[in-house]
Amino acid sequence: DGGITQSPKYLFRKEGQNVTLSCEQNLNHDAMYWYRQDPGQGLRLIYYSQIVNDFQKGDIAEGYSVSREKKESFPLTVTSAQKNPTAFYLCASSDRGGHSTDTQYFGPGTRLTVL
Amino acid sequence: QKEVEQNSGPLSVPEGAIASLNCTYSDRVSQSFFWYRQYSGKSPELIMSIYSNGDKEDGRFTAQLNKASQYVSLLIRDSQPSDSATYLCAVNMLKGNGNQFYFGTGTSLTVIP
Repeated sequence: DGGITQSPKYLFRKEGQNVTLSCEQNLNHDAMYWYRQDPGQGLRLIYYSQIVNDFQKGDIAEGYSVSREKKESFPLTVTSAQKNPTAFYLCASSDRGGHSTDTQYFGPGTRLTVL
Repeated sequence: QKEVEQNSGPLSVPEGAIASLNCTYSDRVSQSFFWYRQYSGKSPELIMSIYSNGDKEDGRFTAQLNKASQYVSLLIRDSQPSDSATYLCAVNMLKGNGNQFYFGTGTSLTVIP
């Protein structure tokens, strides 16, 4: 099955802990993205990567970090510096990234709750 | 002004009716437009893409694009209760060094049996 997988589906974090969310795709897409979704606020871009070993900050990168060591993987770390991390985190990928007809596809999401 | 704007709703229609969802965008030179459906607690699912002025039909869904008015809409014919979801409009815009996706905040649709 081709697609985007995210794990875990649910994640609980204590205050002060770093946690890492996994995102893997087997679509051979060049670009990958991380979004955060809060109720009533739509999708906000955290980080994106258009090529291996390169990534760019989105609109709300503070308190988050990413890596892109392999084309198919784009993990997101939520650090203790993120003051309000409870949210639904969505990973997406697209074929070329930065192209005018690029289309994004989403993984199933990870719901993070800070206790 | 936000890059992509939608009415948040909620929009309620009876089963079998036509649901009309609207979206406006800020960048006149945008070329790609998308509609995603998101069920409660789930991730967005791409249902339509449109690149040229006019209508594009796929089953019960029709996307309409008017670049001069910077307006894109989604019509759902013969609405079913299973269409109840939030619909996100997305636009691929040229910004800075390359194209970026911008999403609206979504319109909540309820189809009443």
